[in-house]
Amino acid sequence: AQKVTQAQTEISVVEKEDVTLDCVYETRDTTYYLFWYKQPPSGELVFLIRRNSFDEQNEISGRYSWNFQKSTSSFNFTITASQVVDSAVYFCALSEEDTNAGKSTFGDGTTLTVKP
Amino acid sequence: DTGVSQDPRHKITKRGQNVTFRCDPISEHNRLYWYRQTLGQGPEFLTYFQNEAQLEKSRLLSDRFSAERPKGSFSTLEIQRTEQGDSAMYLCASSLSDWETQYFGPGTRLLVL
Repeated sequence: AQKVTQAQTEISVVEKEDVTLDCVYETRDTTYYLFWYKQPPSGELVFLIRRNSFDEQNEISGRYSWNFQKSTSSFNFTITASQVVDSAVYFCALSEEDTNAGKSTFGDGTTLTVKP
Repeated sequence: DTGVSQDPRHKITKRGQNVTFRCDPISEHNRLYWYRQTLGQGPEFLTYFQNEAQLEKSRLLSDRFSAERPKGSFSTLEIQRTEQGDSAMYLCASSLSDWETQYFGPGTRLLVL
């Protein structure tokens, strides 16, 4: 069965600090997709990134970067020079191609608070 | 292009009443998903549609829950004889096809008194 673990329940940093949110997943499929979503206080889940299991290249988008390592089943998310507007709950999610036909399993989220 | 919309955004009801939520996906998105999210947890899958066909239902979806997508466009989720344990945020998402990114609506927050 697929499973996503976000061990960090809450993280608090001061503005301009770098912060890494951890995500560890479990799957038996060889083809799968990993996602990160942001959920600000307004409640709407905002898509951040999608990676497939065959693409282990790290990705950078502005202040955001993602480190995908199949060897450790991890897909970690780093925010560089954090800002107050980054305060939100961040979810990691997994979709398996063979077993679960595209529906996503989410972790329980990490609440990030960035203080001015 | 408008995103996924959901109506109502908030619903307060008394235990035992029926409620219905609506989701309008992004146009031309074939896949439509329903999730439930409770406080402090991530969204949990409930059911999904490929066009008008409901392909899978989670064990979380008891007989009191029913979902439809009559013409392959908007979808409704009905909860009959609501219970306090049904209080949650109900999220709808849509995607262009299999494995494409799911885009979420703002959710309907249900409170059962």
